[in-house]
Amino acid sequence: DTEVTQTPKHLVMGMTNKKSLKCEQHMGHRAMYWYKQKAKKPPELMFVYSYEKLSINESVPSRFSPECPNSSLLNLHLHALQPEDSALYLCASSQAWTSGYETQYFGPGTRLLVL
Amino acid sequence: AQSVTQPDIHITVSEGASLELRCNYSYGATPYLFWYVQSPGQGLQLLLKYFSGDTLVQGIKGFEAEFKRSQSSFNLRKPSVHWSDAAEYFCAVGANNLFFGTGTRLTVIP
Repeated sequence: DTEVTQTPKHLVMGMTNKKSLKCEQHMGHRAMYWYKQKAKKPPELMFVYSYEKLSINESVPSRFSPECPNSSLLNLHLHALQPEDSALYLCASSQAWTSGYETQYFGPGTRLLVL
Repeated sequence: AQSVTQPDIHITVSEGASLELRCNYSYGATPYLFWYVQSPGQGLQLLLKYFSGDTLVQGIKGFEAEFKRSQSSFNLRKPSVHWSDAAEYFCAVGANNLFFGTGTRLTVIP
């Protein structure tokens, strides 16, 4: 089973709202990732968690706040977003984080629209 | 620095025809190489990967890719395309992190 699940599938929020994206995997993976993908562009890495600790933050604005409560769950808390933050947010996981030398499995994504 | 180039933004093929999607990478060491497919509005599905060993790699859905070190290429091939193969295809290199090419959109015509 190589399934990564993400909820919600779609999210519309105002610039003053607070919302959260959720990602879950039950493959025993110890690394989890958040990517942002704008239309007709490749995914861009935002965060990497390894063994529930934040290992990489690719200079993401503080209005995005990741959280890894346990090894199976990854959240992305959103606050005071801008319309340009509208995108598909992808979660991925891998057995471990080995600086690119790992196979990442992606979820279906959450399509976010900020009004 | 690492980079991935997919020179074809959009390719159209007839159903049943063969397919080759190009990917060139730049990296100082031997990279890990991946091909992912993304249907509209969906996440990415791993088609195949190359880490080492046999340079011809078999993947899911009848796809294969060949690693050519001398050409810094990792082209994706399929002998006979099905209408359901229409999607966006991303080549990626694993080097420090996972870096994606800009993608190739495949259209399949009947």
